[in-house]
Amino acid sequence: SQQGEEDPQALSIQEGENATMNCSYKTSINNLQWYRQNSGRGLVHLILIRSNEREKHSGRLRVTLDTSKKSSSLLITASRAADTASYFCATPFSAGNMLTFGGGTRLMVKP
Amino acid sequence: EPEVTQTPSHQVTQMGQEVILRCVPISNHLYFYWYRQILGQKVEFLVSFYNNEISEKSEIFDDQFSVERPDGSNFTLKIRSTKLEDSAMYFCASSEGRGNSGNTIYFGEGSWLTVV
Repeated sequence: SQQGEEDPQALSIQEGENATMNCSYKTSINNLQWYRQNSGRGLVHLILIRSNEREKHSGRLRVTLDTSKKSSSLLITASRAADTASYFCATPFSAGNMLTFGGGTRLMVKP
Repeated sequence: EPEVTQTPSHQVTQMGQEVILRCVPISNHLYFYWYRQILGQKVEFLVSFYNNEISEKSEIFDDQFSVERPDGSNFTLKIRSTKLEDSAMYFCASSEGRGNSGNTIYFGEGSWLTVV
């Protein structure tokens, strides 16, 4: 399976701190996507990083990709209570169109 | 920003009944998907659809499921005879190009299906 797995499963931090979530996957990919899901809501796309990219930024988000270690990380800087959500990495499966999702990291940012 | 819209947001149905979940993908997108998420579990792929036909489907997408693009804008998921274990959040998604080619896949807000 090409499933990504996030680590840690749960993370609790204070507002203003940085949050780092990691994702590992099993086979070669050409891109990896990060999504956020607020409780009971839809999946919001955060960042797509391609296999030829090592780092990508979007606002307070920074994503890295290490294809040699088959891992990615999502860093949220200066976290806010509104960042409280589950964060998922998703990788394409084989040559097809489907994404496979990990179990997610549940982030709680305490005010 | 364009978005994928889904209806209904929540549906309660009796076991054995047919359910149709509706989606309006982003207008210039060519690839459409259904995923589901059972409460507390991972998001799981069901089916992808391109050029008016299914391009991939998972083991979950058995004969009780079907998809259709009845017109130029809607994309539907039909569950013919619902079972208790079909209770889940169903997400519609779309992308401009192939998911494996670095195209962002955009998801809707989901339709909660509760089978009683």
